[in-house]
Amino acid sequence: RKEVEQDPGPFNVPEGATVAFNCTYSNSASQSFFWYRQDCRKEPKLLMSVYSSGNEDGRFTAQLNRASQYISLLIRDSKLSDSATYLCVVNMRRNNNDMRFGAGTRLTVKP
Amino acid sequence: SQTIHQWPATLVQPVGSPLSLECTVEGTSNPNLYWYRQAAGRGLQLLFYSVGIGQISSEVPQNLSASRPQDRQFILSSKKLLLSDSGFYLCAWSIGGLQPQHFGDGTRLSIL
Repeated sequence: RKEVEQDPGPFNVPEGATVAFNCTYSNSASQSFFWYRQDCRKEPKLLMSVYSSGNEDGRFTAQLNRASQYISLLIRDSKLSDSATYLCVVNMRRNNNDMRFGAGTRLTVKP
Repeated sequence: SQTIHQWPATLVQPVGSPLSLECTVEGTSNPNLYWYRQAAGRGLQLLFYSVGIGQISSEVPQNLSASRPQDRQFILSSKKLLLSDSGFYLCAWSIGGLQPQHFGDGTRLSIL
């Protein structure tokens, strides 16, 4: 099992749609979880941290399921500008600096 | 606010040539610093990280090396580049190991 695994997509959705991504992780002791967004040929940018109780930032909702070892990202009312690759990031707990990035899920929002 | 600068943005080098990529952070003290490589269509691979001046941890054996001569400066080097060193190199910083990392603009390195 990969340490951090994401469905690569691509997800092609119309504007206004709701779309959800999942990310599974292998280390049950992981403590830190994040979602990043990466535009084509650009650096990853932090979208949001993922907290145990779940958290929301505008149209974006992140959830953590420790029992099943996955995190999710829900995007409501998709905009054209949401088109990007979404990276799941989890710390591996071997040492505090070992963050593992998933390969990303590609989203394209179409008019 | 904190900023991270990475240069150059693009680099084309012949096989066997040396490499030096520089990254500097402003607006914070004693950051954790990281070098990643991203191959086309792939995830980020951690190459090196540093928790302080002169402290370098290597994650993957390779012909690259890193140095941290100053608190907010992180340098990625190679004496002789290989074709397999091509990729998108990203520098990042964080305030602590479990905290989110923030990336520079990246250097796109092509080896000919």
